[in-house]
Amino acid sequence: GENVEQHPSTLSVQEGDSAVIKCTYSDSASNYFPWYKQELGKGPQLIIDIRSNVGEKKDQRIAVTLNKTAKHFSLHITETQPEDSAVYFCAASLNNYGQNFVFGPGTRLSVLP
Amino acid sequence: KAGVTQTPRYLIKTRGQQVTLSCSPISGHRSVSWYQQTPGQGLQFLFEYFSETQRNKGNFPGRFSGRQFSNSRSEMNVSTLELGDSALYLCASSQNAGPNSYEQYFGPGTRLTVT
Repeated sequence: GENVEQHPSTLSVQEGDSAVIKCTYSDSASNYFPWYKQELGKGPQLIIDIRSNVGEKKDQRIAVTLNKTAKHFSLHITETQPEDSAVYFCAASLNNYGQNFVFGPGTRLSVLP
Repeated sequence: KAGVTQTPRYLIKTRGQQVTLSCSPISGHRSVSWYQQTPGQGLQFLFEYFSETQRNKGNFPGRFSGRQFSNSRSEMNVSTLELGDSALYLCASSQNAGPNSYEQYFGPGTRLTVT
């Protein structure tokens, strides 16, 4: 089955700097890769996603890149702000028959003012 | 549009008891998935329901079960609770149709503590 690894497990950056989180997946058939942000006491919030037919997607300060050959994808946050502090999860899914996301272990991002 | 709602938000049960958790998906969403989140195992997929049928199932014992009603609301049940079942149980819904069919939205979760 699918296996998703995520690095780093913790990341501290200064406000205004960029943050990059990387994930690798094992099943080359996976075709959908969402990223979620989870704040304390809340459920995961979808922040950006990418499908396997696209190499890069951007939404304001957030971007995701996908390398299908190497089977890895990355989340890029620019101009980080204290409110970006949270746990970030990547996921991979086949999505050819129903929803079954396999999540990475998460990255705790701390943005220091 | 209202988000995914889950009830109750917090629950304390004793070993051996059973529990039922409820999830109301976003209006118009037909797929409901359940996940278990623990510090040690992270986010793990339990099962997914679509049109009242279980469509996908994760690697959890048969003590974990669920169902979906005709209005897409879903319940999950855990029987013979064990201490290791203490976790945040998350429900997620998706449209499963059209261009946004892949997007899955989570509720706030039910925090279950087994003593």
